[in-house]
Amino acid sequence: KAGVTQTPRYLIKTRGQQVTLSCSPISGHRSVSWYQQTPGQGLQFLFEYFSETQRNKGNFPGRFSGRQFSNSRSEMNVSTLELGDSALYLCASSLAGWEVGTGNTIYFGEGSWLTVV
Amino acid sequence: GESVGLHLPTLSVQEGDNSIINCAYSNSASDYFIWYKQESGKGPQFIIDIRSNMDKRQGQRVTVLLNKTVKHLSLQIAATQPGDSAVYFCAEKIHGSNYQLIWGAGTKLIIKP
Repeated sequence: KAGVTQTPRYLIKTRGQQVTLSCSPISGHRSVSWYQQTPGQGLQFLFEYFSETQRNKGNFPGRFSGRQFSNSRSEMNVSTLELGDSALYLCASSLAGWEVGTGNTIYFGEGSWLTVV
Repeated sequence: GESVGLHLPTLSVQEGDNSIINCAYSNSASDYFIWYKQESGKGPQFIIDIRSNMDKRQGQRVTVLLNKTVKHLSLQIAATQPGDSAVYFCAEKIHGSNYQLIWGAGTKLIIKP
C-alpha cells in the first residue's frame, strides 16, 4: 500500500514567485492536512481538508492556500514568496478525518523542501 | 498562548539504555497526546498516542506516561537502539478543536555506541 506522496521533493524559488505543492494521500484516506516545518521549530499547522472542504485553518497569512480534489489529492499554494517561507512542507493524511485519538492515525509524507532565494 | 514544549532539545543515551523524552503542555483542556519520530530527511512517523483519561500506555519498546496534574508527558524507549536516533515530537489536541494538533519543538535523541 503506497504511503503519502508529495511532489516535488525539492524546489528553489525566487522571492515574489508563487509555488504549488502536491500531495497524494494514502488510498482511501479522505482527510489531508498540511504543515510547515522550519529548522529548530515544530510543525506549524496550515490547514486541513476533508471531502474537498477546508475544515480548519492555522494562523498563516492569506498567501497560503490549498484545495482538495474529488480523488482526495490536495495541493497547497504559496503566493508572493518571502525568504521566511523557506521550509519543509509536510502533508499528512488520515482515514476518516479529524477524529484524532480514536485510532485514526495520521500518516505523513516525506515533505517538499522549499528554498526561497 | 498555549504551547507544547520540550525540556531538553538534545538527549544523548548509551545504546542499550532506556531513554526518557519529556514534554510539557500548558492547556488543561487537551484531551489527546501523540508522539512522533522524525528521522533525518523523512516525514514524521507515528509512535504512540494516549488519551487524557489514561495515565499510561505501552507499545512495542515504548511507553507513554501522562501526568495531568503537572501537565507533563513522557516517552520512554526501552533498550535504545541506533535506529532510535531521530527527533521526537510530542503534540496535543485541545478538546473541541477541529483536528488541530499543537506540536512541540522536538527533542533530538542521539545514541552513543
